[in-house]
Amino acid sequence: DGGITQSPKYLFRKEGQNVTLSCEQNLNHDAMYWYRQDPGQGLRLIYYSQIVNDFQKGDIAEGYSVSREKKESFPLTVTSAQKNPTAFYLCASTQGGRYSQPQHFGDGTRLSIL
Amino acid sequence: EDQVTQSPEALRLQEGESSSLNCSYTVSGLRGLFWYRQDPGKGPEFLFTLYSAGEEKEKERLKATLTKKESFLHITAPKPEDSATYLCAAGDYGGSQGNLIFGKGTKLSVKP
Repeated sequence: DGGITQSPKYLFRKEGQNVTLSCEQNLNHDAMYWYRQDPGQGLRLIYYSQIVNDFQKGDIAEGYSVSREKKESFPLTVTSAQKNPTAFYLCASTQGGRYSQPQHFGDGTRLSIL
Repeated sequence: EDQVTQSPEALRLQEGESSSLNCSYTVSGLRGLFWYRQDPGKGPEFLFTLYSAGEEKEKERLKATLTKKESFLHITAPKPEDSATYLCAAGDYGGSQGNLIFGKGTKLSVKP
């Protein structure tokens, strides 16, 4: 079945450590996204990529970095500069087109501080 | 400023008690209005896309409608398994193609 796979499901970060969240899709979608979800808040866009080797900052990119070396993969690194990283992280993808297409989501990675 | 506002924040229903969730949007040009269902600890699951005022979509007990300023998700005779958080999102011509603006969601609880 086609879909988006995020791993790990749970991740713990130590002080001063960088951690990388994996996102892989086999939907052949062009665009991929990373969101952060906190209790009582809507999904906030961290980074997005509409094509391989290109990505743009979203609303809350500080303290995060991404790469898009393959169409299928869009890993997110939470750096030590992100002082409040505890959240639920969601990866999504969508097909391009004139009209907005629905974004399809993975099942998330929950990141906590040790 | 583009924004999407959902109401109520939380809704408790008895099984079989029909109701509606509201999604008000302010965008420079609507490229699409999307409804999602999210269960605890899971990613949002796509339900419906609406593109123009007057459009309606149905799936089992759910029906989504769209006007020029808001969308409604009508739930007819809900069951406990309909309990979830329902998210609304708008695609905007003023933004980057494909990007969506999400509301904070309505948490629905259906009691047997």
